[in-house]
Amino acid sequence: EAGVTQSPRYAVLQEGQAVSFWCDPISGHDTLYWYQQPRDQGPQLLVYFRDEAVIDNSQLPSDRFSAVRPKGTNSTLKIQSAKQGDTATYLCASSFDSNQDTQYFGPGTRLLVL
Amino acid sequence: GDKVKQSPSALSLQEGTNSALRCNFSIAATTVQWFLQNPRGSLMNLFYLVPGTKENGRLKSAFDSKESYSTLHIRDAQLEDSGTYFCAAERSGSFNKLTFGAGTRLAVCP
Repeated sequence: EAGVTQSPRYAVLQEGQAVSFWCDPISGHDTLYWYQQPRDQGPQLLVYFRDEAVIDNSQLPSDRFSAVRPKGTNSTLKIQSAKQGDTATYLCASSFDSNQDTQYFGPGTRLLVL
Repeated sequence: GDKVKQSPSALSLQEGTNSALRCNFSIAATTVQWFLQNPRGSLMNLFYLVPGTKENGRLKSAFDSKESYSTLHIRDAQLEDSGTYFCAAERSGSFNKLTFGAGTRLAVCP
């Protein structure tokens, strides 16, 4: 069974540029999570979906970040006008459902904003 | 303050020795997950716990929801156990929303 896949693996931007991250969860998992992990810190949840619906996006900086999962499978996280403070690894995870279940993580996208 | 506090923040072990990592929670945790992040950055799930104990090979973990803590015991440490260990708690009614600790960096030396 394939795990969670993410692309790209690395991205380097100048401040003010936009970037999109893509995630393909494990087949059959209805819940998908996006986390931000700054260097030397634990992952911090940005947003998560059950199927195509957002369950919680309270930690997503809504002025510059957006996330969609239109068909309840793959998901895209986009940063408009990146800032140096957005430098971090962006992790995607999935679980079979949103009711107390193990989360499986992808390899992450390392973002550097210059 | 930190909702999930891990200790120690860093640890160095000789190969073959044992150790214990700990998480204390200031939130009402209903489940706990432990992960190992390897030097390449991949997060691997080690345990999913409701209150109680689980064991897998040289690893054993316990979660006490009443006393608000969880432990991860490593027996006979091996070089491949090196990495950063994270615990993450799910708060009651939060639909699998995890709050992570800051991690314990473990180095196993020959």
